[in-house]
Order: sequence, then C-alpha cells, then structure tokens
Amino acid sequence: EPEVTQTPSHQVTQMGQEVILRCVPISNHLYFYWYRQILGQKVEFLVSFYNNEISEKSEIFDDQFSVERPDGSNFTLKIRSTKLEDSAMYFCASSDPLRTPQHFGDGTRLSIL
Amino acid sequence: DQQVKQNSPSLSVQEGRISILNCDYTNSMFDYFLWYKKYPAEGPTFLISISSIKDKNEDGRFTVFLNKSAKHLSLHIVPSQPGDSAVYFCAASSHGSSNTGKLIFGQGTTLQVKP
Repeated sequence: EPEVTQTPSHQVTQMGQEVILRCVPISNHLYFYWYRQILGQKVEFLVSFYNNEISEKSEIFDDQFSVERPDGSNFTLKIRSTKLEDSAMYFCASSDPLRTPQHFGDGTRLSIL
Repeated sequence: DQQVKQNSPSLSVQEGRISILNCDYTNSMFDYFLWYKKYPAEGPTFLISISSIKDKNEDGRFTVFLNKSAKHLSLHIVPSQPGDSAVYFCAASSHGSSNTGKLIFGQGTTLQVKP
C-alpha cells in the first residue's frame, strides 16, 4: 500500500538555526498538509498546499515557516529560525481527492536545544 | 479553541467486549468526520470516516455513529482485540468557504484492551 514517508525521523537543532523537514507524499495525491503535535497536546493543523500554493495556514504558521514542493515528489517544511517552542512531532499528510481521508507519515521529531 | 473534544483521556476494556469512544464538536459547519488510530512513534492511521449526510458507517469491527443534533459522534469497536490498544483521535473538517480539507483533531483517547 502506498505510504507517506518523512525524513529525518529525528532532528536535533540549536535554537536560531534553520531546519528543513522533508516529506514524500503518496504519488498521485494533490493535496498536502503539515500538522504538528507538541508533547502531550493535540495534533494541530499548520498549513495546506494545493496546486503549488498555500491554500490555508494556521496562526502558528507565521513568517518563520515556509513550505515548498521543489519537484514532483517532495514536499518540505522549513523553519527559518527555530525557537524552543518549535519542539514537536511534525506530521506530513496527503490526500486526493480533497474530501477523502488524509494519509499521514510517521512524523519527524524536532528537538530544539 | 476546542472545536473537537474527546472528554475521556483513557478507556480500558476486556478483549472480546465492545469499546465505545466518544467525540463532541461545537462547529456546526463540520460535515466530514474521521477516526484515526495512533501507535507510539508512528503517524495517525485512518480507520473510518462519516459524512454528515449519514448517521452510521460500518467497516468490519468498526462502526461510527453521528448524531448531528447533539454534535456527537462515537466509534464502536466490536469485538475489541489487544492489538486495538492505541490512541484514537477524532477529527473533523468543514466544507466551508476555504474548503482546504484542514482537519481539526480532538485530544485523543488512549484505549487499552486487556487479554
């Protein structure tokens, strides 16, 4: 069964550094998402992406965050200058068509020191 | 902003019995609901969904019930198996003006099925 893959599984970064989280969505999917889960809290929506542009973003997704689909297979989340509070599990998801279940990757654990 | 709430943080049932997980929502614009299961160190795995035009959807051992007037949905697992032990998340989305498929999640309920 096709799956969403995320790399790395764990990223440790110094505060203030840039980090890029990578995702390979399911190949024929057109809708892409990033969510995050801070330890002990609920899964929160960050951003949705369709047709090479952001379709919706949450209040969390401020100017420090950006997303990109640099080629036909990858979908990346960049945090420009990381803060301690960015420490969380980051999940990528994809779906197609829109109103179908989103499939999630296993996440990247981001630890900011 | 708790638009989707799972009020029971945990549930413990015996193998073979029914597990009932509950979820409440406040946003009347939600019209598509999903249940996900999550094991440690893995991402959420889709279980079952229901559209607001239905009040029940069944898939094998899993049944989801939707009560729109009460803004409540529940997931029934019958019979429960030890492998069902996981965290279960309720999620909702709306066919609103943005219609991006954004999911709003509940806090999750940890289900333990005892052999």
